[in-house]
Amino acid sequence: KAGVTQTPRYLIKTRGQQVTLSCSPISGHRSVSWYQQTPGQGLQFLFEYFSETQRNKGNFPGRFSGRQFSNSRSEMNVSTLELGDSALYLCASSSGEGMRTEAFFGQGTRLTVV
Amino acid sequence: GQQVMQIPQYQHVQEGEDFTTYCNSSTTLSNIQWYKQRPGGHPVFLIQLVKSGEVKKQKRLTFQFGEAKKNSSLHITATQTTDVGTYFCAGDDYKLSFGAGTTVTVRA
Repeated sequence: KAGVTQTPRYLIKTRGQQVTLSCSPISGHRSVSWYQQTPGQGLQFLFEYFSETQRNKGNFPGRFSGRQFSNSRSEMNVSTLELGDSALYLCASSSGEGMRTEAFFGQGTRLTVV
Repeated sequence: GQQVMQIPQYQHVQEGEDFTTYCNSSTTLSNIQWYKQRPGGHPVFLIQLVKSGEVKKQKRLTFQFGEAKKNSSLHITATQTTDVGTYFCAGDDYKLSFGAGTTVTVRA
């Protein structure tokens, strides 16, 4: 079956702009999590959505928001971009039910803020 | 909140040698997962440990979950060039929290 698809793969934005990233999970998966990855920082958890509801949230400012649609596709929005938002943004899908099982990651969206 | 720490951050290994990377959580975990990310790639799931003291093996990789379910280790024997990458542990405590990873380079 198809893997996790993230679009776009690369993005260059100017400071102060806003950006929307998209993630299509594996068919049948209802949980989508978003992570920010920067060199040396590992994967920082942004939020998790399950059945269109935000189930968990990390310690990021309110400029970072997300949503999930009825088909489980998810979008992440960052407003008023800062230089420090430059990173690889990864989404991961899992079944989301019962005990957490393996997460399948997309290729990521590489965001550069100039 | 939960914090997951991994050591070492970097591991430079001679091909054929063994090494171990360690993962420690500030809270008790329901389970722990390990992922590998090749350079330029995305994290790929390796294994999940659920039971206290659990040990699982995948060929040259041995994973262990501590008795108190607050720490874990990954031991790789006879390192090969294909082992290059960053290994992350991820602790499950309502959300999956990743450590900073151990980046492995191999000298042929």
